[in-house]
Amino acid sequence: TQLLEQSPQFLSIQEGENLTVYCNSSSVFSSLQWYRQEPGEGPVLLVTVVTGGEVKKLKRLTFQFGDARKDSSLHITAAQPGDTGLYLCAGPSGNQFYFGTGTSLTVIP
Amino acid sequence: DAGVIQSPRHEVTEMGQEVTLRCKPISGHDYLFWYRQTMMRGLELLIYFNNNVPIDDSGMPEDRFSAKMPNASFSTLKIQPSEPRDSAVYFCASSLTGLGLAGSRFFGPGTRLTVL
Repeated sequence: TQLLEQSPQFLSIQEGENLTVYCNSSSVFSSLQWYRQEPGEGPVLLVTVVTGGEVKKLKRLTFQFGDARKDSSLHITAAQPGDTGLYLCAGPSGNQFYFGTGTSLTVIP
Repeated sequence: DAGVIQSPRHEVTEMGQEVTLRCKPISGHDYLFWYRQTMMRGLELLIYFNNNVPIDDSGMPEDRFSAKMPNASFSTLKIQPSEPRDSAVYFCASSLTGLGLAGSRFFGPGTRLTVL
């Protein structure tokens, strides 16, 4: 059982479409991070959200941390082929640091 | 800074052989992590070090796996003997602190290991 469950597991969309991916847990996290991993590379940190209800924007990407700090979402507007990759949420709970199960996104030109 | 450096990038070996993976963390980062990534299990933490000292190795699959960090700029992950089920991508990551806001992991490019 994974502490951080992500959905959907796989997502394939056309360029220009919008999408949202989710990261859920039954545990409280003091902060949550989102990483993107491109094929053949290691994960790269995109953003960290700290406060319940916090919303952060990074160009076409919008990240939200749930009010109860148990979930987070990533919304991409007008997806581009360069957004293709594996999106991972991660964060500390208790004295452990966890990575989510991941969402593999493919944006078709 | 060049980021986290891992070598080799690809390793193909035969079952029973010894495999050594190498990592150079970002200078000044006190924490070093070894992860394994597979399609089935995702990203798994194997072991991590703080100031060159192993802190938690509960993720190491079995005694065939060992890791060392002889100094702040170098770590190795060794598998002896290797088995086909060890085939995966192995990542090294470093961070300023282990947990909390500053615990953002900086990953290397990974070593893709194939054991035949």
